[in-house]
Amino acid sequence: AQSVTQPDIHITVSEGASLELRCNYSYGATPYLFWYVQSPGQGLQLLLKYFSGDTLVQGIKGFEAEFKRSQSSFNLRKPSVHWSDAAEYFCAVGERWGYGGATNKLIFGTGTLLAVQP
Amino acid sequence: ETGVTQTPRHLVMGMTNKKSLKCEQHLGHNAMYWYKQSAKKPLELMFVYSLEERVENNSVPSRFSPECPNSSHLFLHLHTLQPEDSALYLCASSQSSFGQGTGELFFGEGSRLTVL
Repeated sequence: AQSVTQPDIHITVSEGASLELRCNYSYGATPYLFWYVQSPGQGLQLLLKYFSGDTLVQGIKGFEAEFKRSQSSFNLRKPSVHWSDAAEYFCAVGERWGYGGATNKLIFGTGTLLAVQP
Repeated sequence: ETGVTQTPRHLVMGMTNKKSLKCEQHLGHNAMYWYKQSAKKPLELMFVYSLEERVENNSVPSRFSPECPNSSHLFLHLHTLQPEDSALYLCASSQSSFGQGTGELFFGEGSRLTVL
């Protein structure tokens, strides 16, 4: 079965510092990979996605992620963190499901809570 | 207007009550989902509807009953819930399938459920 591991439950960085959030997945084929962000009291917003092609993907809010097949990783990075980036971040792997693979299903990691110090 | 709208945003109910959560998507998607988010646990996929047909039911207790009358609306009917059912219930929608570079899920803001 597919699974996603986010080894860091909680991370604190200073504003302006760089950020890297780790994500490892378990999946036999080429995975579909996602990063979502959730602010308190809100739903999940898609930051970026990887389906195929260039292994470095750019997302919204200045985030990027790199797919490394050899390490089964899809780490999220940002060169300079802003106070508004404080939130919980979820990595997810997707698979086709249902009849003829017509339905998509996402398996999520447990999330990483990011705190930003002034 | 957000793409996926959930109502109510907050709900408090007793264990003997019957209530429903509603979700509406305005994105023209053909699949809808219910996820449960509890503290310190991964998001749990509860139900998936594709083209209004349920294609996934992850061993969810029968006190949760989904309904998808059309591709834009999804309900979660609740009855005789337990305190451990208190959680954030997230609705999402997507367009099949991953192969075309789309298919990511779009989430609503969630319904915070408290069972007393």
